[in-house]
Amino acid sequence: EPEVTQTPSHQVTQMGQEVILRCVPISNHLYFYWYRQILGQKVEFLVSFYNNEISEKSEIFDDQFSVERPDGSNFTLKIRSTKLEDSAMYFCASSRGVNWGNEKLFFGSGTQLSVL
Amino acid sequence: KNEVEQSPQNLTAQEGEFITINCSYSVGISALHWLQQHPGGGIVSLFMLSSGKKKHGRLIATINIQEKHSSLHITASHPRDSAVYICAVRSNTGNQFYFGTGTSLTVIP
Repeated sequence: EPEVTQTPSHQVTQMGQEVILRCVPISNHLYFYWYRQILGQKVEFLVSFYNNEISEKSEIFDDQFSVERPDGSNFTLKIRSTKLEDSAMYFCASSRGVNWGNEKLFFGSGTQLSVL
Repeated sequence: KNEVEQSPQNLTAQEGEFITINCSYSVGISALHWLQQHPGGGIVSLFMLSSGKKKHGRLIATINIQEKHSSLHITASHPRDSAVYICAVRSNTGNQFYFGTGTSLTVIP
Protein backbone atom coordinates (compact mmCIF):
# COMPACT_ATOMS: atom_id res chain seq x y z
CA GLU A 1 0.00 0.00 0.00
CA PRO A 2 1.34 3.48 -0.77
CA GLU A 3 2.48 5.41 2.26
CA VAL A 4 3.26 8.88 3.50
CA THR A 5 6.92 9.29 4.38
CA GLN A 6 8.36 11.78 6.82
CA THR A 7 11.93 12.82 7.40
CA PRO A 8 13.75 13.03 9.66
CA SER A 9 12.30 10.65 12.22
CA HIS A 10 14.00 12.61 14.99
CA GLN A 11 15.15 16.22 15.00
CA VAL A 12 16.98 17.91 17.83
CA THR A 13 17.44 21.65 17.67
CA GLN A 14 18.39 24.59 19.83
CA MET A 15 15.76 27.08 20.90
CA GLY A 16 15.52 29.92 18.40
CA GLN A 17 16.71 27.84 15.46
CA GLU A 18 14.68 27.22 12.34
CA VAL A 19 13.59 23.69 11.51
CA ILE A 20 12.04 22.20 8.42
CA LEU A 21 10.10 18.98 8.68
CA ARG A 22 9.60 17.12 5.45
CA CYS A 23 6.82 14.93 4.18
CA VAL A 24 6.18 13.12 0.93
CA PRO A 25 2.43 12.53 0.63
CA ILE A 26 0.92 9.78 -1.47
CA SER A 27 1.31 10.78 -5.08
CA ASN A 28 -2.32 11.07 -6.19
CA HIS A 29 -3.50 12.76 -3.01
CA LEU A 30 -4.66 16.35 -3.10
CA TYR A 31 -5.12 17.32 0.55
CA PHE A 32 -2.28 17.57 2.99
CA TYR A 33 -2.20 18.09 6.72
CA TRP A 34 0.14 18.67 9.61
CA TYR A 35 -0.76 17.63 13.14
CA ARG A 36 1.26 17.58 16.31
CA GLN A 37 1.15 15.62 19.53
CA ILE A 38 2.90 16.89 22.62
CA LEU A 39 4.03 14.03 24.83
CA GLY A 40 1.12 12.69 26.86
CA GLN A 41 -1.41 14.95 25.17
CA LYS A 42 -3.93 14.59 22.40
CA VAL A 43 -3.24 15.04 18.73
CA GLU A 44 -3.81 18.63 17.57
CA PHE A 45 -4.59 19.92 14.13
CA LEU A 46 -2.16 22.50 12.76
CA VAL A 47 -2.97 23.14 9.12
CA SER A 48 -4.59 21.79 5.99
CA PHE A 49 -3.32 22.53 2.50
CA TYR A 50 -4.97 22.19 -0.89
CA ASN A 51 -4.28 23.55 -4.34
CA ASN A 52 -1.03 25.12 -3.19
CA GLU A 53 -2.55 27.14 -0.42
CA ILE A 54 -3.60 26.83 3.18
CA SER A 55 -7.28 25.90 3.42
CA GLU A 56 -7.53 25.93 7.20
CA LYS A 57 -5.27 26.52 10.15
CA SER A 58 -5.63 26.29 13.90
CA GLU A 59 -4.75 28.85 16.55
CA ILE A 60 -1.50 26.98 17.13
CA PHE A 61 -0.37 27.72 13.58
CA ASP A 62 0.88 31.25 14.17
CA ASP A 63 3.36 33.36 12.21
CA GLN A 64 6.23 31.14 13.34
CA PHE A 65 4.84 28.31 11.22
CA SER A 66 4.67 28.01 7.48
CA VAL A 67 3.99 25.25 4.99
CA GLU A 68 5.11 24.79 1.46
CA ARG A 69 4.85 22.35 -1.38
CA PRO A 70 7.97 23.41 -3.22
CA ASP A 71 8.26 20.81 -5.96
CA GLY A 72 4.99 18.96 -6.34
CA SER A 73 6.03 16.04 -4.18
CA ASN A 74 7.40 17.34 -0.89
CA PHE A 75 5.21 19.03 1.70
CA THR A 76 7.19 20.88 4.34
CA LEU A 77 6.46 22.44 7.70
CA LYS A 78 8.83 25.19 8.76
CA ILE A 79 9.11 26.55 12.27
CA ARG A 80 11.03 29.82 12.06
CA SER A 81 12.28 30.26 15.59
CA THR A 82 11.67 27.20 17.70
CA LYS A 83 10.51 27.41 21.29
CA LEU A 84 10.73 24.78 24.00
CA GLU A 85 6.98 24.24 23.76
CA ASP A 86 7.32 23.26 20.09
CA SER A 87 8.78 19.95 21.23
CA ALA A 88 6.32 17.34 20.00
CA MET A 89 5.74 14.58 17.50
CA TYR A 90 4.71 16.11 14.21
CA PHE A 91 2.57 14.02 11.89
CA CYS A 92 1.94 14.65 8.24
CA ALA A 93 -1.14 13.17 6.59
CA SER A 94 -2.73 13.21 3.18
CA SER A 95 -6.03 12.27 1.62
CA ARG A 96 -7.25 11.88 -1.90
CA GLY A 97 -10.16 14.22 -1.35
CA VAL A 98 -12.55 15.56 1.20
CA ASN A 99 -15.70 14.04 -0.20
CA TRP A 100 -17.21 10.85 1.07
CA GLY A 101 -15.17 7.92 -0.07
CA ASN A 102 -12.01 9.91 -0.66
CA GLU A 103 -11.48 11.25 2.77
CA LYS A 104 -9.48 8.46 4.40
CA LEU A 105 -6.40 9.93 6.03
CA PHE A 106 -3.01 8.37 5.55
CA PHE A 107 -0.49 9.30 8.20
CA GLY A 108 3.27 9.40 8.12
CA SER A 109 5.20 7.85 10.96
CA GLY A 110 5.98 11.24 12.46
CA THR A 111 8.97 13.42 13.24
CA GLN A 112 9.88 13.72 16.89
CA LEU A 113 11.09 17.30 17.40
CA SER A 114 13.05 18.08 20.52
CA VAL A 115 13.86 21.73 21.23
CA LEU A 116 16.64 22.24 23.77
CA LYS B 1 -13.33 23.47 25.63
CA ASN B 2 -13.23 19.96 24.17
CA GLU B 3 -15.06 19.64 20.90
CA VAL B 4 -14.60 15.85 21.04
CA GLU B 5 -15.02 13.75 24.18
CA GLN B 6 -14.11 10.09 24.42
CA SER B 7 -14.88 7.51 27.02
CA PRO B 8 -13.48 5.63 28.70
CA GLN B 9 -10.00 7.14 28.90
CA ASN B 10 -8.49 3.80 29.83
CA LEU B 11 -9.82 0.32 29.30
CA THR B 12 -8.45 -3.07 30.27
CA ALA B 13 -10.12 -6.16 28.88
CA GLN B 14 -9.58 -9.90 28.88
CA GLU B 15 -8.83 -11.50 25.55
CA GLY B 16 -12.07 -12.37 23.80
CA GLU B 17 -14.16 -9.65 25.38
CA PHE B 18 -16.41 -7.32 23.40
CA ILE B 19 -15.18 -3.75 23.67
CA THR B 20 -16.97 -0.46 23.11
CA ILE B 21 -15.35 2.96 22.94
CA ASN B 22 -17.55 6.02 22.78
CA CYS B 23 -17.11 9.40 21.17
CA SER B 24 -19.33 12.49 21.49
CA TYR B 25 -18.77 15.73 19.66
CA SER B 26 -20.22 19.19 19.89
CA VAL B 27 -19.45 20.71 16.49
CA GLY B 28 -21.08 20.25 13.12
CA ILE B 29 -19.12 17.69 11.19
CA SER B 30 -18.71 16.43 7.67
CA ALA B 31 -16.97 13.24 8.74
CA LEU B 32 -15.76 11.34 11.77
CA HIS B 33 -12.55 9.31 11.85
CA TRP B 34 -11.51 6.50 14.12
CA LEU B 35 -7.75 6.22 14.37
CA GLN B 36 -5.47 3.71 16.03
CA GLN B 37 -2.20 4.86 17.55
CA HIS B 38 0.30 2.09 18.18
CA PRO B 39 2.63 2.05 21.19
CA GLY B 40 5.43 3.27 18.92
CA GLY B 41 3.39 6.35 18.04
CA GLY B 42 2.33 5.59 14.48
CA ILE B 43 -1.25 6.43 13.53
CA VAL B 44 -3.46 4.35 11.28
CA SER B 45 -6.89 5.29 10.03
CA LEU B 46 -9.47 2.63 10.85
CA PHE B 47 -12.71 4.19 9.66
CA MET B 48 -14.12 7.31 8.15
CA LEU B 49 -17.85 7.74 8.76
CA SER B 50 -20.40 10.26 7.69
CA SER B 51 -23.46 8.15 8.51
CA GLY B 52 -24.57 4.70 9.54
CA LYS B 53 -22.22 1.86 10.24
CA LYS B 54 -19.03 0.33 8.88
CA LYS B 55 -17.43 -3.01 9.56
CA HIS B 56 -13.91 -4.20 8.92
CA GLY B 57 -12.97 -7.58 10.29
CA ARG B 58 -13.58 -7.54 14.03
CA LEU B 59 -14.05 -3.78 14.12
CA ILE B 60 -17.40 -2.04 13.81
CA ALA B 61 -17.97 1.70 13.86
CA THR B 62 -21.31 3.43 14.12
CA ILE B 63 -22.39 7.03 14.07
CA ASN B 64 -25.59 8.79 15.07
CA ILE B 65 -25.53 12.22 13.49
CA GLN B 66 -28.60 13.48 15.36
CA GLU B 67 -27.14 12.54 18.73
CA LYS B 68 -23.57 13.58 17.73
CA HIS B 69 -22.24 10.28 18.94
CA SER B 70 -20.12 7.48 17.55
CA SER B 71 -19.01 4.14 18.90
CA LEU B 72 -16.16 1.84 18.01
CA HIS B 73 -16.69 -1.82 18.82
CA ILE B 74 -14.11 -4.57 18.85
CA THR B 75 -15.42 -8.12 18.87
CA ALA B 76 -13.35 -11.02 20.20
CA SER B 77 -10.60 -8.69 21.40
CA HIS B 78 -7.00 -9.79 21.13
CA PRO B 79 -3.78 -8.55 22.77
CA ARG B 80 -2.67 -7.12 19.43
CA ASP B 81 -5.65 -4.74 19.64
CA SER B 82 -3.86 -2.99 22.51
CA ALA B 83 -3.38 0.60 21.36
CA VAL B 84 -4.79 4.08 21.79
CA TYR B 85 -7.98 4.64 19.83
CA ILE B 86 -8.64 8.21 18.80
CA CYS B 87 -11.84 9.80 17.57
CA ALA B 88 -11.38 12.80 15.29
CA VAL B 89 -13.95 14.92 13.47
CA ARG B 90 -13.67 17.18 10.45
CA SER B 91 -15.66 20.35 10.85
CA ASN B 92 -18.34 21.08 8.30
CA THR B 93 -17.34 24.76 8.28
CA GLY B 94 -13.88 24.21 6.90
CA ASN B 95 -11.08 21.70 6.64
CA GLN B 96 -10.37 21.80 10.39
CA PHE B 97 -10.01 18.73 12.58
CA TYR B 98 -10.74 18.20 16.26
CA PHE B 99 -9.35 15.24 18.16
CA GLY B 100 -10.43 13.36 21.24
CA THR B 101 -7.90 12.58 23.94
CA GLY B 102 -7.91 8.92 23.01
CA THR B 103 -8.85 5.70 24.75
CA SER B 104 -5.96 3.56 25.86
CA LEU B 105 -6.93 -0.09 25.44
CA THR B 106 -5.02 -2.98 26.96
CA VAL B 107 -6.14 -6.49 26.16
CA ILE B 108 -4.76 -9.11 28.53
CA PRO B 109 -4.21 -12.67 27.31
